Amino acid sequence: EQLLQSGGGVVQPGKSLRLSCVTSTYNINLYGFHWVRQAPGRGLEWVATRSDNGMNEYYADSVKGRFTMSKDIFKSMIYLQMNSLRPEDTGVYYCARDSGRQILLNYLDVWGQGSLVTVSS
Amino acid sequence: DIQMTQSPSTLSASVGDRVTITCRASQNINRGLAWYQKSPGKAPKLLIYEASDLEDGVSSRFSASGSGTEFTLTIRSLQPDDFTTYYCQHYNEDRPQMFGQGTKVEIK
Repeated sequence: EQLLQSGGGVVQPGKSLRLSCVTSTYNINLYGFHWVRQAPGRGLEWVATRSDNGMNEYYADSVKGRFTMSKDIFKSMIYLQMNSLRPEDTGVYYCARDSGRQILLNYLDVWGQGSLVTVSS
Repeated sequence: DIQMTQSPSTLSASVGDRVTITCRASQNINRGLAWYQKSPGKAPKLLIYEASDLEDGVSSRFSASGSGTEFTLTIRSLQPDDFTTYYCQHYNEDRPQMFGQGTKVEIK
């Protein structure tokens, strides 16, 4: 896998969870990354975007103020910190690489395998 | 927000058929459109970007066209692995935007 995800699981409403996405293939300093999710039986939903230099971050209205993207350059890791989780956040979360090198093109050419997040009491 | 509407929601076809999926934007999005293939249990796969550019490694049986508000994805000579769900997605210079609701291509 070029992007390997971890960190999914079952969590109660109101709790937090952090998803991780590691790559040994790409220099995460050169690429922007995104998170996209798919709720059960539903379509794809863009969640968050972070540019290569971290100067630009964007979040869907549904997660703004609750989710935060970050990265650890030394570990080649991209994170999605999810706080105040709600049942409607349940779904499979995918990290994805932006197609652009040192520029956000905003179409996604390399994807992780997905992490299942279930928010339930 | 710009809304993306795909049609049809479901499409029935046979192996070897040619099919076309349409994606309409509620406003002019120029050529800021990508197409993805999504199979159950698998990650989405980028097929097309900039409305009509074929991603490296994607079969030439896939083609796309359009600009402004109307876009199409055409798959010729359907193969068994093509029977799955396809999504369009609008993007702009800031970030990815809304996905269409998806079109499921099923075996007739």
